[in-house]
Amino acid sequence: DAGVIQSPRHEVTEMGQEVTLRCKPISGHNSLFWYRQTMMRGLELLIYFNNNVPIDDSGMPEDRFSAKMPNASFSTLKIQPSEPRDSAVYFCASSFGDSGGNTGELFFGEGSRLTVL
Amino acid sequence: AQSVTQLDSHVSVSEGTPVLLRCNYSSSYSPSLFWYVQHPNKGLQLLLKYTSAATLVKGINGFEAEFKKSETSFHLTKPSAHMSDAAEYFCVVSGRGNTGGFKTIFGAGTRLFVKA
Repeated sequence: DAGVIQSPRHEVTEMGQEVTLRCKPISGHNSLFWYRQTMMRGLELLIYFNNNVPIDDSGMPEDRFSAKMPNASFSTLKIQPSEPRDSAVYFCASSFGDSGGNTGELFFGEGSRLTVL
Repeated sequence: AQSVTQLDSHVSVSEGTPVLLRCNYSSSYSPSLFWYVQHPNKGLQLLLKYTSAATLVKGINGFEAEFKKSETSFHLTKPSAHMSDAAEYFCVVSGRGNTGGFKTIFGAGTRLFVKA
């Protein structure tokens, strides 16, 4: 199995630019999660989807962040406009879960390292 | 409310000596507990999980953890450290909160250093 696939692995951009991160979950998994990892704040859940429906987006920092899951095999996390404080590693994870937040074992991608200058 | 506390931010051991990474949790209901490992520039990988079966859980790469309800602990151990064990380890609690919904909470992580 290919595992969770994220792209790009590295992104360097300038403040104000739009950034789009992509994720392909493991086939058959019905839950998808976006996490952000920084030295200062550790691992933070941004949003999670169950059966392509956003269930909990309380971790999304502000309106500059948006996430979509148009089908079971693809999700995007968009930042517009980007700011230097958005610099972090963004992880996508998938699992067999339910809409009540029971996630089961999480399978993580290798992350997208974002640097905003 | 649920919470998880990893008692050490850094642990340093010599190769061949035992490893102990400490984790305490708080949960209103019977939780599931996990340990994940993150090697540099990699995603997190599941080491082991406890889901209300045997209290001593064996995982990959020789790691194990014991669920102790009376102490609300889920410490991770390994009898003999290997250089390849150097990584960051996360304790995770997942369970039903006071409002009825599930929450998954990650600890702050413990970085394990292994000296030759």
